[in-house]
Amino acid sequence: QKEVEQDPGPLSVPEGAIVSLNCTYSNSAFQYFMWYRQYSRKGPELLMYTYSSGNKEDGRFTAQVDKSSKYISLFIRDSQPSDSATYLCAMSRGGFSGTASKLTFGTGTRLQVTL
Amino acid sequence: DAGITQSPRYKITETGRQVTLMCHQTWSHSYMFWYRQDLGHGLRLIYYSAAADITDKGEVPDGYVVSRSKTENFPLTLESATRSQTSVYFCASKGLGGIPEASGNYEQYFGPGTRLTVT
Repeated sequence: QKEVEQDPGPLSVPEGAIVSLNCTYSNSAFQYFMWYRQYSRKGPELLMYTYSSGNKEDGRFTAQVDKSSKYISLFIRDSQPSDSATYLCAMSRGGFSGTASKLTFGTGTRLQVTL
Repeated sequence: DAGITQSPRYKITETGRQVTLMCHQTWSHSYMFWYRQDLGHGLRLIYYSAAADITDKGEVPDGYVVSRSKTENFPLTLESATRSQTSVYFCASKGLGGIPEASGNYEQYFGPGTRLTVT
């Protein structure tokens, strides 16, 4: 079983829809939770970052972390065609050591927002 | 230009050949990472480096060699390429950890990737 599980999709939604992307994880030591966005043939770029549990909002994007359920979510409101990309969740134990700096990624969910 | 660059962007090689993928960053970041991305597996860590002359294995290190003689460079070598090493390779860098709530201390910045095909 993988440490981080993510539905690969593809997920197709109409423009303006609310999108929900999710990951589950098994390692309770994870404290830092990130969402990366990857456009086709590009490198991933950080979209949202959350430390420990709770919600974080940035414009149309909201990240939620539920450590008790080992479940994280990314919500996209008023989705746009430009949101079409692969969304990867990533997690880290944190700290200053090299091992703690490593990220464990989900497989990514491909999102297509149609006109 | 500032940032993280990879070369070559595309490479086709034959089984058994040695191939070196280059990664260069201009931020003087301490940490550098090599990942491979394959369908169904996502990003998997090959090797990482905490500083010059300090490297360590990741999840899938077999068949790969790294070195880091300078902070800004982190080359990845496939000593004898195999078809199973056909993949997209990403290099990333990160600064030192610090205040937990500051995402900049944990964000990894990725290069544009190298698409490698082994025939």
